[in-house]
Amino acid sequence: EAEVAQSPRYKITEKSQAVAFWCDPISGHATLYWYRQILGQGPELLVQFQDESVVDDSQLPKDRFSAERLKGVDSTLKIQPAELGDSAMYLCASSLTRKLAGGNEQFFGPGTRLTVL
Amino acid sequence: AQKITQTQPGMFVQEKEAVTLDCTYDTSDPSYGLFWYKQPSSGEMIFLIYQGSYDQQNATEGRYSLNFQKARKSANLVISASQLGDSAMYFCAMREVGSGGSNYKLTFGKGTLLTVNP
Repeated sequence: EAEVAQSPRYKITEKSQAVAFWCDPISGHATLYWYRQILGQGPELLVQFQDESVVDDSQLPKDRFSAERLKGVDSTLKIQPAELGDSAMYLCASSLTRKLAGGNEQFFGPGTRLTVL
Repeated sequence: AQKITQTQPGMFVQEKEAVTLDCTYDTSDPSYGLFWYKQPSSGEMIFLIYQGSYDQQNATEGRYSLNFQKARKSANLVISASQLGDSAMYFCAMREVGSGGSNYKLTFGKGTLLTVNP
């Protein structure tokens, strides 16, 4: 069964360091999402790609976060410098198209759990 | 303003019994969609069920059904015949138009932690 892949699964870093997360969506999925999930909360959208283009990054802290999907397939989310408040689960998801509905839901990866010390 | 409200931080149910997880939403868009996801302790979000605002019938998927009351803006998840493996966080989410204007995004509630007791 096709899955969304993410790595690493766990990352521990010190504040002010740079971290990067990688996501490989399900083959053929044009839309890719990065979410941040703080403990005890629901996921919050950080950035959304349609193919290689960003279509929504309104909640992305652009002073320290960046995201790219250069060839419209896999994607990288970077934080530089990391802050204590960035400790969270970072989830990647993909969908066939951007029009979310029954039969075109988002599929999520296992996430990267980030701890900033 | 919170768009998805899940008022039950935690719920307990006995194995083999049914349980209802509450979700209310707020939107002025006549076209919207509601999703339920399950998140086990491993962290991955698993899609359970979808209800479109124009769907005439309540959605069902195996042991999951959605009690959709449009006038009350509620979309409660019903799990029948609970199993130990159902113990997890459950999130209600609403599809809405994103800042790009032509894209859709999901807004999630805070979730309900369901514990199934043997």
